[in-house]
Amino acid sequence: GNSVTQMEGPVTLSEEAFLTINCTYTATGYPSLFWYVQYPGEGLQLLLKATKADDKGSNKGFEATYRKETTSFHLEKGSVQVSDSAVYFCALSARAGGTSYGKLTFGQGTILTVHP
Amino acid sequence: SAVISQKPSRDICQRGTSLTIQCQVDSQVTMMFWYRQQPGQSLTLIATANQGSEATYESGFVIDKFPISRPNLTFSTLTVSNMSPEDSSIYLCSVAHSSNQPQHFGDGTRLSIL
Repeated sequence: GNSVTQMEGPVTLSEEAFLTINCTYTATGYPSLFWYVQYPGEGLQLLLKATKADDKGSNKGFEATYRKETTSFHLEKGSVQVSDSAVYFCALSARAGGTSYGKLTFGQGTILTVHP
Repeated sequence: SAVISQKPSRDICQRGTSLTIQCQVDSQVTMMFWYRQQPGQSLTLIATANQGSEATYESGFVIDKFPISRPNLTFSTLTVSNMSPEDSSIYLCSVAHSSNQPQHFGDGTRLSIL
């Protein structure tokens, strides 16, 4: 079946440091890939997405590239801020019945804490 | 993206009781889902709420424990029945305008059972 594996956290960085959160997946076919962010006490927000190989999703300074050859979708940001402190979830949506977006399978989440 | 309102935002319930969680969307959506997020864990899909028909449940979840209604394209409810402390979780509603759009989430309902 489908699965998503994220790097274990928590990740603690100083402000303006470079961020990488690794994500690899297992899926049949060609899934769509997502990063969601959950700020303390809130629901999940879609951060970025990619729907096919070599697509790069980007938003708010975050980027991730769909790498089919390594089945990866690593999240990066060049300079993190304290306000980026949150839990980050990698997820995939397997194609179902010919449509692009089906059920979401989530990774275990990575807690990011950024200190001033 | 859609504005999704979940009620209640949190509750503390007694063992053996039931609670119904509401999910209201400000526009018609094709797809609505219910997820559970246990403390410190990731999200697990409970079921897909189908408009006008029974929900489609994932392995490990049953209708008797988690009955779901979806009377129209903007509203759904999830009931957590006969609650036990193991049901203490965040329950989240998500929606997609169509099968080709990504899912967007409500803020969740934080449920504690004593």
